[in-house]
Amino acid sequence: DTGVSQNPRHKITKRGQNVTFRCDPISEHNRLYWYRQTLGQGPEFLTYFQNEAQLEKSRLLSDRFSAERPKGSFSTLEIQRTEQGDSAMYLCASSLGGTGPNEQFFGPGTRLTVL
Amino acid sequence: DAKTTQPNSMESNEEEPVHLPCNHSTISGTDYIHWYRQLPSQGPEYVIHGLTSNVNNRMASLAIAEDRKSSTLILHRATLRDAAVYYCILWGSARQLTFGSGTQLTVLP
Repeated sequence: DTGVSQNPRHKITKRGQNVTFRCDPISEHNRLYWYRQTLGQGPEFLTYFQNEAQLEKSRLLSDRFSAERPKGSFSTLEIQRTEQGDSAMYLCASSLGGTGPNEQFFGPGTRLTVL
Repeated sequence: DAKTTQPNSMESNEEEPVHLPCNHSTISGTDYIHWYRQLPSQGPEYVIHGLTSNVNNRMASLAIAEDRKSSTLILHRATLRDAAVYYCILWGSARQLTFGSGTQLTVLP
């Protein structure tokens, strides 16, 4: 399968614990995005990378959140000191570069439940 | 960012055409109109996009009003597999997509 993959698919954690999610984009895509989706709402943008550079971060991305994309390949999203409000689906997407409106390809998401 | 307005939900009968409307009265001249859909328990998937002219692809057609203040996504023959939330999104200079709440399409057998 050459699509976007995300691991784990589900994560249950206790409040205050740290969690890390991984996203493997489509190999030739140099842009990678993270979104968060809560029940009944559309996805909300968190951050995006062009190759290894993190070019934009949403105000939603508090200082407990950190994302990396070493070597411009896979990306990780870490949440420190999780809170119940962090419970959501975390979606990763990738796209080609360029100035045009490139299609974003989404992964299946990681569902986080904070108890 | 320019906003879009969509009905919360719509129903269609299987094998009939579906017209999903979207209003975007504050669209700017350089905004593209994108449609994505999200099937249950999956990430969103791209459906179609356009700028000024109507567009067709294997999944759907996009009809854009002459003043570009509204558009309609057309599924020519709805199937049960088309039941999903459909999002109309304006894409301008930002790289990310700004999703609204979308339209929940129910397809009745």
